[in-house]
Amino acid sequence: EVQLVESGGGLVQPGGSLRLSCAASGYTFSSYAMSWVRQAPGKGLEWVSAISGRGSSTYYADSVEGRFTISRDDSKNTLFLQMNSLRAEDTAVYYCAKRIEDRGYSHFDSWGQGTLVTVSS
Amino acid sequence: AIWMTQSPSLLSASTGDRVTISCRLSQGVGSYLAWYQQKPGKAPEILIYAASTLQSGVPSRFSGSGSGTDFTLTISSLQSEDFATYYCQQYYNFPYTFGQGTKLEIK
Repeated sequence: EVQLVESGGGLVQPGGSLRLSCAASGYTFSSYAMSWVRQAPGKGLEWVSAISGRGSSTYYADSVEGRFTISRDDSKNTLFLQMNSLRAEDTAVYYCAKRIEDRGYSHFDSWGQGTLVTVSS
Repeated sequence: AIWMTQSPSLLSASTGDRVTISCRLSQGVGSYLAWYQQKPGKAPEILIYAASTLQSGVPSRFSGSGSGTDFTLTISSLQSEDFATYYCQQYYNFPYTFGQGTKLEIK
């Protein structure tokens, strides 16, 4: 059974940094691309960042480009999101999600339970 | 970025009703579109990908159609467990984008 468990969320002041982790189990982690998706309180879903299997390619939403860095440690089956220069508008539940492809069409077939990041003074 | 407009934002319906949710995109994405269901306090769950392929384990009352810029999610006969929020998402290119969501509530 696939399991994704996020950690590292919490309260941080504007301008601060936080590092989120997502521990994966139940599948061959290195073979699958991963993403972070966030959801501000009472709002919709926003895709944040993606990394290819084995980490050769990374992608970011314009809203976090230059401030957030996605990475992965395939030896530890763990996905990371380093968040710097945090702003109030980054306050959200952050989900990690596993991307799967079927006939060239991809989707997120597994999600973690989410970790809450609150940016406030 | 590809903009996505879901309609309606709020949909009131009764158990047994047939409902449709629309997702319109600012540019064509072929069939690179998925639909998710999210219940309060829970992570989203995949329902449909490739515009019309039902994820394994998802009830057959859910169906998807469309291609290019216009897509539809249909629930043929609402069950109590279907009252939730639904999102479309495009995978055609980065940045991946989601629709703003459609909340399906009990009438």
